[in-house]
Amino acid sequence: AQSVAQPEDQVNVAEGNPLTVKCTYSVSGNPYLFWYVQYPNRGLQFLLKYITGDNLVKGSYGFEAEFNKSQTSFHLKKPSALVSDSALYFCAVRDMKSSYKLIFGSGTRLLVRP
Amino acid sequence: DTGVSQDPRHKITKRGQNVTFRCDPISEHNRLYWYRQTLGQGPEFLTYFQNEAQLEKSRLLSDRFSAERPKGSFSTLEIQRTEQGDSAMYLCASSLATLQFDEQFFGPGTRLTVL
Repeated sequence: AQSVAQPEDQVNVAEGNPLTVKCTYSVSGNPYLFWYVQYPNRGLQFLLKYITGDNLVKGSYGFEAEFNKSQTSFHLKKPSALVSDSALYFCAVRDMKSSYKLIFGSGTRLLVRP
Repeated sequence: DTGVSQDPRHKITKRGQNVTFRCDPISEHNRLYWYRQTLGQGPEFLTYFQNEAQLEKSRLLSDRFSAERPKGSFSTLEIQRTEQGDSAMYLCASSLATLQFDEQFFGPGTRLTVL
């Protein structure tokens, strides 16, 4: 069965410091991997995706993510956090072979303190 | 605004009542998805359409739930005989199928509260 795990309910960082939000996945075939961000009372906004190719993917607002097949991970990173990055972040996976639906993790709340 | 829109944004109803939500996808998108998100959880897939055909339904979609996309454009999600456990945010997403992948764009959601 497909699944996504986000082991941290919350990540706290100081503004200007690097941040990492962790994600691991399980699929039967090759994965499509996504990160979305959710601000209060708003829908999910797409940040970045991994389909194939370079393991380091760059996305919106200075975020990037690294695909690691051996560790089945897709951690979200940013070199220098902003207070405005504070939000709820979701990792999602789609199994290329079986379905178009996205399987989401439970989310990680990122809190960037000034 | 050319994004995915959903109506209403909020709905409060009494247990046992029927409710219907509407989703208008991005105009050229041929795939439309419904997800449900409860507090503290990630969105869970409910169903999806390609054009007007409903191609996949989750086991979460009990027989009290029905979704339609009659002309391959907007979609409705109806919940009959609502229960308190139906309280959640209902998210709609749309995508344009390509040979490689389809990126899903989400609407703002409809928050349902069942009293």
